[in-house]
Parts: sequence; C-alpha cells; structure tokens
Amino acid sequence: DTEVTQTPKHLVMGMTNKKSLKCEQHMGHRAMYWYKQKAKKPPELMFVYSYEKLSINESVPSRFSPECPNSSLLNLHLHALQPEDSALYLCASSQGPHDRHPGGYTFGSGTRLTVV
Amino acid sequence: GNSVTQMEGPVTLSEEAFLTINCTYTATGYPSLFWYVQYPGEGLQLLLKATKADDKGSNKGFEATYRKETTSFHLEKGSVQVSDSAVYFCALSGAGKSTFGDGTTLTVKP
Repeated sequence: DTEVTQTPKHLVMGMTNKKSLKCEQHMGHRAMYWYKQKAKKPPELMFVYSYEKLSINESVPSRFSPECPNSSLLNLHLHALQPEDSALYLCASSQGPHDRHPGGYTFGSGTRLTVV
Repeated sequence: GNSVTQMEGPVTLSEEAFLTINCTYTATGYPSLFWYVQYPGEGLQLLLKATKADDKGSNKGFEATYRKETTSFHLEKGSVQVSDSAVYFCALSGAGKSTFGDGTTLTVKP
C-alpha cells in the first residue's frame, strides 16, 4: 500500500460546526503532515507529527486541532472556522522523521473544505 | 532561510515540444531537491528527486539535475503530452522543513 488516504474528499461546514478531517497511511512512515493549499498557491505547512508526537505547529489558530492517535492515523479537528479557512487540506507522510526525509513526501488527494 | 524560485507561468506548449521549467534555490547545508506535480483536483505527487550534487532524478520522461554550482534543479522533458498538463512545484528539504516554489502551470495543446 503506497497511498495516503484522506476523508472526506469534500466538506461544507458552517462557522459554528465541528468537523474532523481524517488521514491514513500504511507505509510505515514515521512523520505525518497537514498542509493547507489555497487556489494557485503552494502548500503551506500547518503541523508536523514525528513518531506520533507533535513536533511543529506553524502558529496555526487554535480552531484547528491536530491529533495523531497512532502511527497510521492523523486527524484534523475543526471548530468555529472562518470563510477564509476554505481551502484544500492536504495530508502527507514521509519515511523518516520530519528533519530527515530525502525520499520526499507522499501526499493524499486532499479534502476540499468550504466554510459558509 | 531556505527559498525556492521557479520560473513564472503559465507555460503553454504544443504536444511533442521540449519543456524546461527553471528552478533555483537558496539553502544552507546540503538539501534534497524535489519536483512534485499536481493534476487538477488532486494532491501533489512526487515526480522525481535528487539528494546530492550532480544527482539526476528521472521519472516518466522528466529529468532534473542537482547543480550545486548554480544552485539549480531545472525540470526538462523532451516531448510533452497533453496529459502532462498540470502544476509543477519545485521543492527542497533542509533545516527540518520542506520549502516549495510558487508552482508553474503547464498547459499542453494538441
């Protein structure tokens, strides 16, 4: 299995809703990432988990809450989002820890989030 | 800090034309270099990589050579197809993070 699976593919939520994005990989990768991508822009790093521990938080607002229940799963909990949070949210994984990954990332297909 | 600069797009080519997308970088130490491709409505896919100077990464007819003397990692393909239409991102990893270029949109016309 050489894939990163993200669910759901599309999500529309109101500003008072609570929702979660899910990401799963079975490649034995030890680092997992959340990225946010706006249209026609490169991905922006949000969070990094290395060996199931949060190692980087790029000053992301607290309305985004990551969770890594085990080495294969990564969640992003969403609460009280704003319309400007609408974007493609990408999960990625890498074989080595976040500061040593010469193999590059494997990305999921993303969740297209719309906040109304 | 680290940075990646890609040639501005969009780039429009006819099928079977030669492709070059320029990428230069600034980094401390010895970063690894990557090209990712993103097709419409999808996530990024790793296209090729190079981990040290003079390495050549290649995949699906695309090539790029890690040039430390010119701090460049230009993407080339000898004959593009309509199916190559996508956004291409140059990236480097180093100092604990990956840094992406702004992306170059390629459109190939029949």
